Amino acid sequence: GNSVTQMEGPVTLSEEAFLTINCTYTATGYPSLFWYVQYPGEGLQLLLKATKADDKGSNKGFEATYRKETTSFHLEKGSVQVSDSAVYFCAYLRGGADGLTFGKGTHLIIQP
Amino acid sequence: NAGVMQNPRHLVRRRGQEARLRCSPMKGHSHVYWYRQLPEEGLKFMVYLQKENIIDESGMPKERFSAEFPKEGPSILRIQQVVRGDSAAYFCASSLETSSYNSPLHFGNGTRLTVT
Repeated sequence: GNSVTQMEGPVTLSEEAFLTINCTYTATGYPSLFWYVQYPGEGLQLLLKATKADDKGSNKGFEATYRKETTSFHLEKGSVQVSDSAVYFCAYLRGGADGLTFGKGTHLIIQP
Repeated sequence: NAGVMQNPRHLVRRRGQEARLRCSPMKGHSHVYWYRQLPEEGLKFMVYLQKENIIDESGMPKERFSAEFPKEGPSILRIQQVVRGDSAAYFCASSLETSSYNSPLHFGNGTRLTVT
């Protein structure tokens, strides 16, 4: 069936480290892909998105490239900050009435 | 422009009671989605509504759960005769049109339901 698989957390890094959070999906067709971020006690916020193969979404220093050949949309950041500590969700949108399908989320902890 | 407003933020109910969760979408949005987030799990789609219509309720449990989005007022997610397994964070999201790449979802801060 259709699904999103993310690397399990928590992921703990030191400030200024390089970040990669893996995300792969199984879906028919060409879904749009998203990364959402959830800060403690809050709802999800859209971080970035991409709609077709080789598209790169970017925002706040985060990037992710839509890789059709590997069905992946890995999230990267060159130098993380303590304020990046949050839960990150990968999601895809097939279109239609059921909205987004989310991964389980990856808890990121950045230590000073 | 206020975002998606959910209330209450925290709700405690004893087993067997009813829980009512409210969601006011962003101004101008007529599409509402409800998601449930269980501990250690991602968000699971529950139901998609437009004004006065349920479009897709394929993620809703068949019993005890219902949702509405009346012509006037907020969307309501209602859980009757709550059980401990209903304890979760319930998130509402809204969009201008059917959720799409160009019409992304905007989420509220959620209602955290605890059943004792």
